[in-house]
Formats: sequence, structure tokens, C-alpha cells
Amino acid sequence: DAGVTQSPTHLIKTRGQQVTLRCSPISGHKSVSWYQQVLGQGPQFIFQYYEKEERGRGNFPDRFSARQFPNYSSELNVNALLLGDSALYLCASSSGTGPNQPQHFGDGTRLSIL
Amino acid sequence: GEDVEQSLFLSVREGDSSVINCTYTDSSSTYLYWYKQEPGAGLQLLTYIFSNMDMKQDQRLTVLLNKKDKHLSLRIADTQTGDSAIYFCAALRSSASKIIFGSGTRLSIRP
Repeated sequence: DAGVTQSPTHLIKTRGQQVTLRCSPISGHKSVSWYQQVLGQGPQFIFQYYEKEERGRGNFPDRFSARQFPNYSSELNVNALLLGDSALYLCASSSGTGPNQPQHFGDGTRLSIL
Repeated sequence: GEDVEQSLFLSVREGDSSVINCTYTDSSSTYLYWYKQEPGAGLQLLTYIFSNMDMKQDQRLTVLLNKKDKHLSLRIADTQTGDSAIYFCAALRSSASKIIFGSGTRLSIRP
């Protein structure tokens, strides 16, 4: 079975631009979460979606938004990019939102802002 | 506040046991996780433990939880070169449905 897939794997943007990152969860998983991992740090929670509804939001500005589609795939959008947005963006899926339904991560999209 | 802390580096000899430690501050954390991250890859879930458990063993991995001290450890028996990676401790805040990660411990194996 395919794991969590993310696209693109790498992306280079300039300040002020907008970016869209995509995630396909493991088949059968209905929950998708997004994390930002800055170099040398652990992942920071951005959003969680379940059944197309936002279930959780981390401490990120409104420039960050996301949505989940009927097939449970998800997109993360970031507007007005800043240099500090350079990071590895990780998507994780789980079968539900319960704590005993662990999250499985994709390999991430590495975003570089010039 | 919410904080998960780990030491940054650990070096062990091949074949020895590795013990990676973690402390967390949020006493309402219900689940605690260990993830492994190899270079250029995402996070691989290794194991997790519910907060009402003291210990969980899974093949070479042993997780110990001291809820009173909010201390979690991961022991890897018979450490191999393939265990070289960054290991993240994480705590689930069930009230917020979000997982808080530590900064990771880089495990290096010497011959």
C-alpha cells in the first residue's frame, strides 16, 4: 500500500510569492495534518483536517491556510512568503482523530525562499 | 505551557544499548510517541505509549514512562548502524488535538 505522498518534493520561491503544497493520505485515512519543520528543530503543528473540516490549528499567521477534498487529499497554501517560511513541510495522515490512531508522515516538501 | 525537551546528541558503540531521554511539561498529555527521521525523509512512527502505562516493549525497543516526573525514555537494544537517525519525542495534547514535538536527538553509532 502506498504511504502518504506529498508533492512537489522540492520548491524554490521568492519573497512575496504564494505556494500550494499537496498531500495524498494513506488509502482509508480520513484525517490529514500539516507540520512545518525548520532545520534543526522538531515539527510544528499547523493544521489538522478531518472529513473536510478543520479540527485543529497551530500558532501560525493567517497567511497559512489549508483545505481537504472529498477524496481526503489536502492542500496547504502559504501567501506572501517570507524568508522564515523556508522549511520542510510535512503531511501526516491517520484513520481518525483519536489519540490511539497514530499519524503516519510523508517525506515532506522542502520549500526554499530566496 | 507546552514543551517537550530532549538532549541534542547521543553517541553509542555498535551493539550497545542506546537510551534517549525526553521530558514534557503538559501533564494532560495522553499519548507519547517516538518518531525516527533519517536524512531527507519524513518521520517514521516507532512506537507510542498511553499515559496510564509505565512500560511498553516492541522487539528491540523499550519505552519507559514516569508520569510523575513527566519523563519518557526510549531504549534501543543492540544498536546497529541502521539506527543512526534523529529521534523525536512527541506528546499529544488531546484537548487541542495536536502533537508537540521535541527538537530531536541525533543518534550516532561508532564502530
